[in-house]
Amino acid sequence: DAGVTQSPTHLIKTRGQQVTLRCSPKSGHDTVSWYQQALGQGPQFIFQYYEEEERQRGNFPDRFSGHQFPNYSSELNVNALLLGDSALYLCASSGTSGSRWETQYFGPGTRLLVL
Amino acid sequence: GDSVTQMEGPVTLSEEAFLTINCTYTATGYPSLFWYVQYPGEGLQLLLKATKADDKGSNKGFEATYRKETTSFHLEKGSVQVSDSAVYFCALSLTSGSRLTFGEGTQLTVNP
Repeated sequence: DAGVTQSPTHLIKTRGQQVTLRCSPKSGHDTVSWYQQALGQGPQFIFQYYEEEERQRGNFPDRFSGHQFPNYSSELNVNALLLGDSALYLCASSGTSGSRWETQYFGPGTRLLVL
Repeated sequence: GDSVTQMEGPVTLSEEAFLTINCTYTATGYPSLFWYVQYPGEGLQLLLKATKADDKGSNKGFEATYRKETTSFHLEKGSVQVSDSAVYFCALSLTSGSRLTFGEGTQLTVNP
């Protein structure tokens, strides 16, 4: 059973460019969350997608946008890249089963470097 | 707002030493609490969790007890191994399936 997968593993961009990161959730999961982890810090919540809609959003500017596809996979898009966007981007997936809380499982991350 | 505070690191121990990593939280409701571990170059792995007061989460020799009265969820292990060297994150989640709020992380190094 494949876990959460992310692509690419590493990416180098220049300021002002746009980037798209991809995530495939764990089998059976329908909810995808994205986090940004700057070097030496804890992950910060960006947003969460469920049923192809943004369900929750953290304190990130509109330059950060996302999408969820019918197969539950997800993309994170960042426009007008800044040096400060350099970070490890983590995707986490979880399932929903009524009101029962489901654990979030994380992928290996995409390391983005903005020059 | 909701927040998690972890003890400052890094922490360096000898093999078989006792480990405690402190974690306290501030939340507006009754959160679920977690410990995640991150090995070098990898993503996060769930280590253990507790969903209500006085619950004890445990896994791989690690334990943590949800203490509502002290708003704490300290991580302990009786005898650490070199393979436990990693960064440990305490986190909370307020509602079912909602966002995780993480602490800053504590780097643990275990020497042989």
